[in-house]
Amino acid sequence: QVQLVQSGDEVRKPGSSVRVSCKASGGTFGSYTITWMRQAPGQAPEWMGRIIPILGVPMYAQKFQGRVTITADKSATIAYMELSSLNSEDTAVYYCARGGFCSGATCSRRWFDPWGQGTLVTVSS
Amino acid sequence: IVMTQSPATLSLSPGERATLSCRASQSVSNNLAWYQQKPGQAPRLLIYDASTRATGVPVRFSGSGSGTEFTLTLSSLQSEDFAVYYCQQYHNWPKTFGQGTKVEIK
Repeated sequence: QVQLVQSGDEVRKPGSSVRVSCKASGGTFGSYTITWMRQAPGQAPEWMGRIIPILGVPMYAQKFQGRVTITADKSATIAYMELSSLNSEDTAVYYCARGGFCSGATCSRRWFDPWGQGTLVTVSS
Repeated sequence: IVMTQSPATLSLSPGERATLSCRASQSVSNNLAWYQQKPGQAPRLLIYDASTRATGVPVRFSGSGSGTEFTLTLSSLQSEDFAVYYCQQYHNWPKTFGQGTKVEIK
């Protein structure tokens, strides 16, 4: 059973960037997408984007276009989410999760499971 | 697609039945999941495809509905069930969550 293990908590200054990793433990991502979400204190999770690791094809939420970059290695064992031009409103817990199963670039509709343990990103001067 | 959950907070005693509602602003067919989240933890998948329990989820959790109206029912609340519950649609992009229902001890 694949588990997703994320990198540790980060503290950044406004205007800087942060990169969070998500590693498959006990296997690979296979042909599934890896989705990135964030959750601000007291709020629901918010979808940021996803990638098909074996193809390296990302898709981003319009809200984060131009500020987020999601990548993955072709071995489909680790994915990254980089967010730039950070401000205080980006303070949140960031999660990766496995999503849809893909045949080529076509992916199924699927729930998110499993999830990584979360990475707290704090933006403060 | 906007997901609306009600109520925001549900105050119940152990052993009682909990009924949580989730409404979609347009049809999501049965492409709906429910998650449970406890403080300091990642969301945990409970239900997918509106009514299928995920592996290891107790039978006291059940989901129903299709289209725009969905329900999560906890038949008899246990102490470990007090948490926040989110519904999420995966029918259309972007995938969206409801704002959550907190089930608290009365």
